Amino acid sequence: DIQMTQSPSSLSASVGDRVTVTCRASQDVNKYLNWYQQKPGKAPKLLIYAASSLQSGVPSRFSGSGSGTDYTLTISSLQPEDFATYYCQQSYTSFTFGGGTKVEI
Amino acid sequence: QVHMVQSGAEVRRPGASVKVSCQTSGYDFNTYSLAWVRQAPGQGLEWMGWISPYNGNTKYAEAVQGRVTLTTDTSTNTAYMELRSLTSDDTAVYYCAREYNRGWYYFDFWGQGTLVSVSS
Repeated sequence: DIQMTQSPSSLSASVGDRVTVTCRASQDVNKYLNWYQQKPGKAPKLLIYAASSLQSGVPSRFSGSGSGTDYTLTISSLQPEDFATYYCQQSYTSFTFGGGTKVEI
Repeated sequence: QVHMVQSGAEVRRPGASVKVSCQTSGYDFNTYSLAWVRQAPGQGLEWMGWISPYNGNTKYAEAVQGRVTLTTDTSTNTAYMELRSLTSDDTAVYYCAREYNRGWYYFDFWGQGTLVSVSS
């Protein structure tokens, strides 16, 4: 099974900050890497698929990059509505989620 | 537009079974697989399995293999997840999600979640 490790597990940031979350796979996942945002009490929401493709309707301040085993989600200028938990997911072999990164004020 | 509406919260005793439904609309039910994901209180997301409504093919995560059965009813565009031999570790919110599977694979639409509580 492919294991996904996210870092950090939590971070504190302010509105306007540039925020970066990283995700490392235990083996090459060939850009089959997705990012989701989850707010308390809500279902996850797809942000990025195929490592760097922005899902329709997602603001352009969100971006993804990476290849092989290492991937990054970047929020260019943090907005109040972006405080949430972010999960990476590999879809190269079945599906595995990372442990999550909580972005707090 | 795509909608996925799940059944309501359930409470079960240890050893019992639970069946959660996910009614979909707004797209061709037969052409996308349905995935199930659960989230224990305060924990992360765990993929449980997927089913293809087109041919009934399924794949299950090792963690729940043997205890979970995914089914679909193509006449009502509804998916079901049945979990047996429940323990307190199965207390979680269970989500259905549409699996986009044309080249890339990801979950683009989600149900609202169903809380399953297991307690004696």
